[in-house]
Amino acid sequence: GAVVSQHPSWVICKSGTSVKIECRSLDFQATTMFWYRQFPKQSLMLMATSNEGSKATYEQGVEKDKFLINHASLTLSTLTVTSAHPEDSSFYICSAKNRMDEQFFGPGTRLTVL
Amino acid sequence: DAKTTQPPSMDCAEGRAANLPCNHSTISGNEYVYWYRQIHSQGPQYIIHGLKNNETNEMASLIITEDRKSSTLILPHATLRDTAVYYCIVRVGDMRFGAGTRLTVKP
Repeated sequence: GAVVSQHPSWVICKSGTSVKIECRSLDFQATTMFWYRQFPKQSLMLMATSNEGSKATYEQGVEKDKFLINHASLTLSTLTVTSAHPEDSSFYICSAKNRMDEQFFGPGTRLTVL
Repeated sequence: DAKTTQPPSMDCAEGRAANLPCNHSTISGNEYVYWYRQIHSQGPQYIIHGLKNNETNEMASLIITEDRKSSTLILPHATLRDTAVYYCIVRVGDMRFGAGTRLTVKP
C-alpha cells in the first residue's frame, strides 16, 4: 500500500513557540491532504483539508491563524502550530488522498507543549 | 457528527472470529462503508471497504446488509496483535471518525 510519512514523530516545545510538522506522500501524488488531531482516549477529529496550491479549508472551531497549513506540492503538506500552549498538546495525524480516492494515513506526531 | 454507531468495547478470544458490528442507518446511496483500525499511538490502518456487496481481503471480511443500514467486520482468526480500536466510517468525501470499538483479544 501507499506510504505517508510524518516528521517529526514526536516533539516537545516551550509554550509560546511555533512547531512545524511535515506530512509526505512517499510513493504517490496526493491531490488532497488532511490534518487530524487526537486527544488521549478520544477519536480523531478532522482539523482541515488542503488541496495542492490552494488555501486549506478548516473545520468549524479550528483557528486558521493558529494552525497554519501549507500544501506547496503534491507530496508535501505542513502544519505549523503557532504560539503553542499546553492545551495544544495532542497527537497530530495527516492523511493523503490519491487520484483513485484512496486515503492513507501517516503514523502521527505527538506534540507536547510545556 | 459521525454517521455510525458502534459498541464501545468488545472482547474476543485469541484464535476465534471477531465480529464487529456497525450501524449506519442514514447511509446514502453513494456512500461507501470503510473500516480502519488504530493500534495505540499509531496512525489509522486501512482494513477494508465496500459499497453494497460483501468484500473479503487478506485481513478481514465485510458483510453489508441488503438495506445497507448496518455492516459487520469479521476478523476470522483474531490474534493478540489485532487488539486495537476499530472505526467504521461511511464516506463519500472526507474521512470522519466516530468513537469506534475497542477490541481486546485475550489469550
